[in-house]
Amino acid sequence: ETGVTQTPRHLVMGMTNKKSLKCEQHLGHNAMYWYKQSAKKPLELMFVYSLEERVENNSVPSRFSPECPNSSHLFLHLHTLQPEDSALYLCASSQEGKGHSLGLVKAFFGQGTRLTVV
Amino acid sequence: EDQVTQSPEALRLQEGESSSLNCSYTVSGLRGLFWYRQDPGKGPEFLFTLYSAGEEKEKERLKATLTKKESFLHITAPKPEDSATYLCAVPQNRDDKIIFGKGTRLHILP
Repeated sequence: ETGVTQTPRHLVMGMTNKKSLKCEQHLGHNAMYWYKQSAKKPLELMFVYSLEERVENNSVPSRFSPECPNSSHLFLHLHTLQPEDSALYLCASSQEGKGHSLGLVKAFFGQGTRLTVV
Repeated sequence: EDQVTQSPEALRLQEGESSSLNCSYTVSGLRGLFWYRQDPGKGPEFLFTLYSAGEEKEKERLKATLTKKESFLHITAPKPEDSATYLCAVPQNRDDKIIFGKGTRLHILP
């Protein structure tokens, strides 16, 4: 059983819809991430929250809006998406320790939300 | 530009047939390298972290090794349950963000 839970598991939405993806981690970690996984492409890091502060990723379109109300919960708000945004969206968490950068700690992933934009 | 390249893209083996997966990277001054396993419809599952050239780690039928330019994931006498996509990842130096390879899809035939 994973310590990172994502809902919903599957989502179909129209281009004019507004929806949100939810992630909850039960591991006591202090960093959370959103990744996008498209077919034939590597996992792409979208957003990082460390100690509830967001690390900006300027390459993510503004139609994706993250929210981290506390260290256990992470949301990804979606609006006016495009068909090319269809992908598996993965949430992950990790524990950032003193003296250890985020890039060197292993991440625990959720099962993902399979998003289809029609 | 930092890059992670995995090969082969896909690999089919008979049960018991040992082989190796490759992960090559262009990040200078490597500080760590991760291996993950991903089953269809699931998120990646952490396998190993390697920090320096010459380091090796083992878990059941898997052994990961690291050189200054690449890492290998050796699989010995694989079983059908080892079928999955294996992902390699490294942190970039300039911003600490993790970059992943495209993965190797491994299929073990019974």
